[in-house]
Amino acid sequence: AQSVTQPDIHITVSEGASLELRCNYSYGATPYLFWYVQSPGQGLQLLLKYFSGDTLVQGIKGFEAEFKRSQSSFNLRKPSVHWSDAAEYFCAVLGPGGGNKLTFGTGTQLKVEL
Amino acid sequence: GAVVSQHPSRVICKSGTSVKIECRSLDFQATTMFWYRQFPKQSLMLMATSNEGSKATYEQGVEKDKFLINHASLTLSTLTVTSAHPEDSSFYICSGGEVRKAGGRGQETQYFGPGTRLLVL
Repeated sequence: AQSVTQPDIHITVSEGASLELRCNYSYGATPYLFWYVQSPGQGLQLLLKYFSGDTLVQGIKGFEAEFKRSQSSFNLRKPSVHWSDAAEYFCAVLGPGGGNKLTFGTGTQLKVEL
Repeated sequence: GAVVSQHPSRVICKSGTSVKIECRSLDFQATTMFWYRQFPKQSLMLMATSNEGSKATYEQGVEKDKFLINHASLTLSTLTVTSAHPEDSSFYICSGGEVRKAGGRGQETQYFGPGTRLLVL
């Protein structure tokens, strides 16, 4: 079965600093990968997704992610973090064989220090 | 685009009553809708998957008679928590799946609603 690992439960960065959130997946075929962000008490907002093609994916709010098959990773990056980026970030992989269920990682809580 | 709404955003009810939560895809037709439950500081737990006009598929351990799902149209799904008890208090989130076919394999993107906070007294 597929799985998603987000090794960092909490991350704290200073405003203006760069950010990298790690995501590793276990999946037999070419994965479809997603990053979502959740602000407190809110639903999830799609930041970006990877289906195929260019392995560097651009998303909303200045985020990008790079798919690295050799490392089974899909890390999320942002060159300069804003205080409003403080939230919970979830990595997810779409189910196997065209199945439409998402498997989520446990999430990374991002805190931004001013 | 791809906006999903949920109503109500929060509800407080007495133990033993039933609560209905609506999920609507506002600007796309959701071939599939999903219902999740989220406990504090945890990830999302998929409860069930529903396709328009057919019965929902429930995940293992989720009581289908407790959590009734109706997917009446391509833009509306409802979750009814029947005979709610305090342990049903949680954050319920729905999502709508939008599919783009490519190479014979569906590339489905789920768009999430803002969630419904249920408190059962």
